[in-house]
Amino acid sequence: QVQLVQSGAEVKKPGASVKVSCKASGYTFTGYYIHWVRQAPGQGLEWMGVINPSGGSTSYAQKFQGRVTMTRDTSTRTLYMELSSLRSEDTAVYYCARDHSYDFWGQGTLVTVSS
Amino acid sequence: SSELTQDPAVSVALGQTVRITCQGDSLRSYYASWYQQKPGQAPVLVIYLQNNRPSGIPDRFSGSSSGNTASLTIAGAQAEDEAVYYCNSRDISGNHWVFGGGTKVTVL
Repeated sequence: QVQLVQSGAEVKKPGASVKVSCKASGYTFTGYYIHWVRQAPGQGLEWMGVINPSGGSTSYAQKFQGRVTMTRDTSTRTLYMELSSLRSEDTAVYYCARDHSYDFWGQGTLVTVSS
Repeated sequence: SSELTQDPAVSVALGQTVRITCQGDSLRSYYASWYQQKPGQAPVLVIYLQNNRPSGIPDRFSGSSSGNTASLTIAGAQAEDEAVYYCNSRDISGNHWVFGGGTKVTVL
């Protein structure tokens, strides 16, 4: 069965970086794009960007350009989302989701940015 | 515009029908998908490519579109349908995606 398993919660200080992982299983890894979506406490869903695991090409939301990097490791079937220059407003649950329809989601990773 | 606009909240009596709308310029060119999110849980896909239901989603959920508006209809709402529903589609450029602000559905 399709599974996306994300890394555990993180606590970071302002200005630091965080790298969240998303390990895929149960399907052809290079056959489906992976999107990253975040949700601040009590807020809606926000699209951050997308990566093609086949070639590694990416597209990022303008809001995160220059601060976000999405990568993949085909040998371990793992996707990564790194966000730098963290500020308190980046406190959120970060999700990976499969395909342009987001048919399967990871369980979410809470990133807390606090001094 | 790259925005998708949803009403913040709607209520429906148990067993009645409710329609949730999502407006945006990009919907004239791209299909919408819909997601159900309950508190403390990850979102769940309920409709994709305008009117397709994933396996396991009850047939009381359906989607449609007209012009710049996509709609999600729940026919015969059940208590377990109480949740926040988000629409999603590509933006007008086609290279990025965007979510609506979400509609909280309360089943009375």
